[in-house]
Amino acid sequence: GAVVSQHPSWVICKSGTSVKIECRSLDFQATTMFWYRQFPKQSLMLMATSNEGSKATYEQGVEKDKFLINHASLTLSTLTVTSAHPEDSSFYICSAKGTSGTDTQYFGPGTRLTVL
Amino acid sequence: AQRVTQPEKLLSVFKGAPVELKCNYSYSGSPELFWYVQYSRQRLQLLLRHISRESIKGFTADLNKGETSFHLKKPFAQEEDSAMYYCALRADSSYKLIFGSGTRLLVRP
Repeated sequence: GAVVSQHPSWVICKSGTSVKIECRSLDFQATTMFWYRQFPKQSLMLMATSNEGSKATYEQGVEKDKFLINHASLTLSTLTVTSAHPEDSSFYICSAKGTSGTDTQYFGPGTRLTVL
Repeated sequence: AQRVTQPEKLLSVFKGAPVELKCNYSYSGSPELFWYVQYSRQRLQLLLRHISRESIKGFTADLNKGETSFHLKKPFAQEEDSAMYYCALRADSSYKLIFGSGTRLLVRP
């Protein structure tokens, strides 16, 4: 149980285009999902916290207009990288927290974004 | 500032040797500490958390508030323990985690 999927697993796009990444909780409902970014050989950096039905809370330094987050249902959150540039190339990972009392986060496998 | 420090990028030991992966944190309040593990080609998963005070796969970690540390230990390393280990801090009620930079554990046969 408690499986989180991400789609796509990898994507290559041209500079200036927008890319949408999906994060789904497959067998549980997630009121809260988190989006992380991981550069090569570096740690996970939290970008934003996504709560179902409300606006995402962004961490300091993360541009909310560039990284659009939507959490429209209890099983799906999306991250859209708008007008992507090469410096946005990274590994994006989501995690989800269930609706029950546990605060355990379950992580997705990540999405590798490469912007040419 | 809230921060998690893992001073070792790589820790290499032989099978059967003891292992200690270091983690220090910076937080003025009462923290919740976790260890996450990422095996090769797999996703990040929770290994253990300090409030559970449990041993998972032979690993233990004790929160030392005086030294602001949460080191991960195992008395006898196994080859299957080879993985990336991340220490994480939950600093408030928002459930968000602050991760350390990670330590790669390599257990040689």
